[in-house]
Amino acid sequence: QKEVEQDPGPLSVPEGAIVSLNCTYSNSAFQYFMWYRQYSRKGPELLMYTYSSGNKEDGRFTAQVDKSSKYISLFIRDSQPSDSATYLCAMSARGNTGNQFYFGTGTSLTVIP
Amino acid sequence: EPEVTQTPSHQVTQMGQEVILRCVPISNHLYFYWYRQILGQKVEFLVSFYNNEISEKSEIFDDQFSVERPDGSNFTLKIRSTKLEDSAMYFCASSSLVAETQYFGPGTRLLVL
Repeated sequence: QKEVEQDPGPLSVPEGAIVSLNCTYSNSAFQYFMWYRQYSRKGPELLMYTYSSGNKEDGRFTAQVDKSSKYISLFIRDSQPSDSATYLCAMSARGNTGNQFYFGTGTSLTVIP
Repeated sequence: EPEVTQTPSHQVTQMGQEVILRCVPISNHLYFYWYRQILGQKVEFLVSFYNNEISEKSEIFDDQFSVERPDGSNFTLKIRSTKLEDSAMYFCASSSLVAETQYFGPGTRLLVL
């Protein structure tokens, strides 16, 4: 069964802190891993996209994928109040057309000024 | 930057009525998706669409749902005979390549009374 587990939080940190968000999954077929940010009552906004295992960095954000442990992480350095949102992990397996994304429940993050 | 747009942003309907949710995907994208998010729950896959055909659908996407690409730009989700439990945020997404990441619209909030 394809499942994605994510700690819903809520997570509250002071401004400038390093934030670690995590997801685990059970299906070894997943190869594409995404992190989305969702503000209240808005659509998910893509933050990071990673294929297979390894690290990817983009500004203050770093995504890590450990396929052997079926574990992915998103690190936010120097967190800002504007980072306050719900962070969703999503993943998919390779398919022929229009493959489905499987989402975690989302982690609610508040960065306190 | 190109983006997915959705109309209406909010829709209120009576139980048993039909609703049509509209989406304009990113113009060079070939794969289109509908997801829904019941308040406080995961984003859930409904259906994917490619080359004027459904390529994958979930158990949620039963006979009351249908999708259509009536012209070169719009992608619609029709819900026949709406039920109270259809109340949710409905997101359209599009992507340009198989298993490439999906870009989400802002959503349509549907309330069935």
